[in-house]
This record gives sequence, C-alpha cells and structure tokens, in this order.
Amino acid sequence: KAGVTQTPRYLIKTRGQQVTLSCSPISGHRSVSWYQQTPGQGLQFLFEYFSETQRNKGNFPGRFSGRQFSNSRSEMNVSTLELGDSALYLCASSPGPRDTEAFFGQGTRLTVV
Amino acid sequence: AQSVTQLDSHVSVSEGTPVLLRCNYSSSYSPSLFWYVQHPNKGLQLLLKYTSAATLVKGINGFEAEFKKSETSFHLTKPSAHMSDAAEYFCVVSGGNTPLVFGKGTRLSVIA
Repeated sequence: KAGVTQTPRYLIKTRGQQVTLSCSPISGHRSVSWYQQTPGQGLQFLFEYFSETQRNKGNFPGRFSGRQFSNSRSEMNVSTLELGDSALYLCASSPGPRDTEAFFGQGTRLTVV
Repeated sequence: AQSVTQLDSHVSVSEGTPVLLRCNYSSSYSPSLFWYVQHPNKGLQLLLKYTSAATLVKGINGFEAEFKKSETSFHLTKPSAHMSDAAEYFCVVSGGNTPLVFGKGTRLSVIA
C-alpha cells in the first residue's frame, strides 16, 4: 500500500510569489491535515480536510489556503510568500476521525529567497 | 485546551544504555497520546499510541510508553539504545474535536 505522497519534495521561491503544494493520501483515507515545521516554532497545525470540507484551521494568515478534491488528494497554497514561510510542510492522512493514527508524508521543503 | 510539554530538548545516551524521553500533557478531554519519530530530512513515523486501552503501550523498535493519568505523563522508554535511534522525537496529544498538538521535540543522540 503506497504511503502519503507529497510533491514536490523541494521548492525554492522568491518573496512575493505564490506556491502550491500537493498531497496524495493513503488509498481509502479521507482525512488530510497540513502542518508547518520550522526550527523556531516546531510543528504547527495549518488545516484539516475531511470529505472535501475544511474541518479546522490553525492560526495562520489568510495567505495560507487549502482544498481537498473528491479523490481525497489535497493541495495547499501560499500566496505572497514571505521569508518566514520557509519551512518543511508536512501532510498527514487518516482514515477518518483525527484521533486515530495519522500517517505523514516526507514533506515539502520550501525555501523563500 | 490541550498542550504537551517535552521536558528535555536534547537527551544524549551511550549505545546499549536505557532511553527515557519525558512528556507531560494537559487535556480537557480523555486524551489520545502518541509518540512520533523524525529522522533527518524525513517525515514523521508513529512509534506508538495510547487511546484509553492498556496504560502500558508497546511500540515499534523496542519502544514503550506508560500513560499515568495521576501524573499527566506519557514518558517514552527503551531498554537499550541503538545508533539508529538517533533522531527527533515528538510527543503528541489529541482529543475532542481538536487537531494534533505537538510538543517541541526531543533530540536523541546516541554515542558509540
């Protein structure tokens, strides 16, 4: 069974640009969550989607957005990139409710220059 | 509200000696608790989870953790450290209708 796939693995963008990251969950999983990991702030929750609906959103500015498609694949978008958005973005998938086991992808390393 | 405190940012042990990574939690709900491991430039891998069944939880690679409600703790242990255990470890709490809440992480170094 394939794991959680995140693309691309590495990305370099310039300040002011926008970026879209993709996450394909484990087959059959309908819940996808996104996290930002930085050395200073650790792992912070961005948002969670279940059956194409956003269930929860973390404390991030509106520049951060996401969506989930009918096949459970999810994308997150960051507009007007800032240097502080440089981070490892991790996607996790679960079969359903959040407090069951979450499986993480390897992440997308975003560098903003 | 939920929170997790990992009491040590860095733990260093010699190969073959026991590992203890400490975690205290706070939760308004009956919590689910997890330990994840992250090797350099990798995603997070679940080591073990507690979901209100047995209080002593066994995980992969010889790790185990004990849920102690009276102490609000969920410490991770391993009898004998291997070089391959060197990584970042995260204690995580979940409960109610809230996202996973991660601790700041503990970096485990294993000395040959």
